[in-house]
Amino acid sequence: DIVMTQSPDSLAVSLGERATINCKSSQSLLYSSNNKNYLGWYQQKPGQPPKLLIYWASTRESGVPDRFSGSGSGTDFTLTISSLQAEDVAVYYCQQYFTPPTFGQGTKVQIK
Amino acid sequence: QVQLVESGGGVVQPGGSLRLSCAASGFTFSDYGMHWVRQAPGKGLDWVAFIRYDGSNNYYTDSVKGRFTISRDNSRNTLYLQMNSLRAEDTAVYYCAKIRGTEYNNYPFDVWGQGTMVTVSS
Repeated sequence: DIVMTQSPDSLAVSLGERATINCKSSQSLLYSSNNKNYLGWYQQKPGQPPKLLIYWASTRESGVPDRFSGSGSGTDFTLTISSLQAEDVAVYYCQQYFTPPTFGQGTKVQIK
Repeated sequence: QVQLVESGGGVVQPGGSLRLSCAASGFTFSDYGMHWVRQAPGKGLDWVAFIRYDGSNNYYTDSVKGRFTISRDNSRNTLYLQMNSLRAEDTAVYYCAKIRGTEYNNYPFDVWGQGTMVTVSS
């Protein structure tokens, strides 16, 4: 199975500042047949289910604010929150969706 | 609106069984593959099982193979997870989730239910 490793495990960022979360996969997530990276990002707030933010590594899901962006290819990926808002406090997970799908361990984002 | 609602969780003794259900609405259920994902208390997300839109080609994580069975009834717009020989380590919130596309199996999970808690304890 593909192992997903996120860094850091937690970070504290001031309101309005940039938050960056990294995700590394043990195998390439780039599928040569369609040139797509099978990588998604999810946000989970306490007591709620996960919410899809980004898929194909950089495509923002409908309704997701444009302060959230994804980048990377192959084995190294990044989720960036360009200007942290109070409502962005959550745990963020990367996921690869080859079979079987696997998740990173999560990164907890807090306000400094 | 698109919605998934899980039910069937509860407290069960080790070795016992439970059947979870996930009622879908707001989309053509029979067009989409579906997953079960679990989350132990205070822990991360752990994929459990997948079923194709037509009920074929099921996949399971190794730790539940032979104990859990995923199934669906497209006429009832409902997904199921039959869980047998339950262990303490199966204690978790269980979520059902819909995949985002229909062309093949491998898509992100774009709609999640609120989850149902399963506690395995004597």
